Amino acid sequence: EAGVAQSPRYKIIEKRQSVAFWCNPISGHATLYWYQQILGQGPKLLIQFQNNGVVDDSQLPKDRFSAERLKGVDSTLKIQPAKLEDSAVYLCASSLETTGMGQYFGPGTRLTVL
Amino acid sequence: AQRVTQPEKLLSVFKGAPVELKCNYSYSGSPELFWYVQYSRQRLQLLLRHISRESIKGFTADLNKGETSFHLKKPFAQEEDSAMYYCALNTNAGKSTFGDGTTLTVKP
Repeated sequence: EAGVAQSPRYKIIEKRQSVAFWCNPISGHATLYWYQQILGQGPKLLIQFQNNGVVDDSQLPKDRFSAERLKGVDSTLKIQPAKLEDSAVYLCASSLETTGMGQYFGPGTRLTVL
Repeated sequence: AQRVTQPEKLLSVFKGAPVELKCNYSYSGSPELFWYVQYSRQRLQLLLRHISRESIKGFTADLNKGETSFHLKKPFAQEEDSAMYYCALNTNAGKSTFGDGTTLTVKP
């Protein structure tokens, strides 16, 4: 089966610009996660979808970050405007269900904010 | 709030030696624990889950609720085990929390 796809793989922007990341989960996976991974740290959950509904977004900086999951399949994560501290790898993952199952990760998008 | 702690950032062992990567957690409910691994230039991937009680690539992990730990063990380390290892916890609601990882280096 095809894995989780993400694009772009790399992005360099100036601070205060906007950027969007795209994720296509494994077919049939109901749960989709977006993580932010800063260098030297573990992945930090930003938002979790179950189908097209939000399960948890408690750590999403809602003043600048937004995410949506179109028709319960693909998802986009947007940052507007970007700050220097947003430089990180953004990981998308999916799983069959919310509990009991492990997650399958995409390759990530490395964002550099100058 | 739940928390996952991996006390060792770096761990180095010789090939053939036993290895134990530590993971401690705090969570008031009944957790689901996982180990993930990231090999060089590869994506993060699931290694094992506590509920399946399986052994993958010679690794095992036992959930110790009394000590709130989920340490990863392998009796004889191999060079190909060199990677970054992350411990992760899922709450009853399925929310995930990851530790900051341990870089394992297996020397020849």
